[in-house]
Amino acid sequence: QQQVKQSPQSLIVQKGGIPIINCAYENTAFDYFPWYQQFPGKGPALLIAIRPDVSEKKEGRFTISFNKSAKQFSLHIMDSQPGDSATYFCAASSNYQLIWGAGTKLIIKP
Amino acid sequence: DGGITQSPKYLFRKEGQNVTLSCEQNLNHDAMYWYRQDPGQGLRLIYYSQIVNDFQKGDIAEGYSVSREKKESFPLTVTSAQKNPTAFYLCASSQQGGPYEQYFGPGTRLTVT
Repeated sequence: QQQVKQSPQSLIVQKGGIPIINCAYENTAFDYFPWYQQFPGKGPALLIAIRPDVSEKKEGRFTISFNKSAKQFSLHIMDSQPGDSATYFCAASSNYQLIWGAGTKLIIKP
Repeated sequence: DGGITQSPKYLFRKEGQNVTLSCEQNLNHDAMYWYRQDPGQGLRLIYYSQIVNDFQKGDIAEGYSVSREKKESFPLTVTSAQKNPTAFYLCASSQQGGPYEQYFGPGTRLTVT
């Protein structure tokens, strides 16, 4: 019940395309859903986060869609660029502790 | 310039030796965390601390130990009891009371042979 399931494991998209990464959870007590971006050899950094009282949040080219009834949330990257190539992690939390998805390695081809 | 520093970036040790990884933050955060990251896997929580002189085990604490004597410091010792210590170790911090953004350091890659 504490798991966060993330898919796909890897994703290759042409420049300008819209990669979509999906996450699902079981614990209805989760009330904070962040996405982190990690470049090779670096620590993850917060990209965007959402709380379950909204269904969508946009920050620049990044959008989180949240479906509370289905217990799913997803990350969309608009007009993707080669510089977006990284590993993306979703997470969920109901307190100070984050439960992490397994990560998606995204490659944007020029 | 606020942030989290981890040192060293790369660390090599022989099997059977204990090794301590450093983590320092100047963000004035109360909570600090240690994660382990293996290839193709997500982050797994080793230990966390919400206040000075207090810490709790995470999901994979066996073979690791920590201390929290100062607010800004949270060193991790990988002991010889850890069966598979080679990994990328990440330290993070956040405000108390969560859930809040966790800020990560650059990580330490430990190789044990």
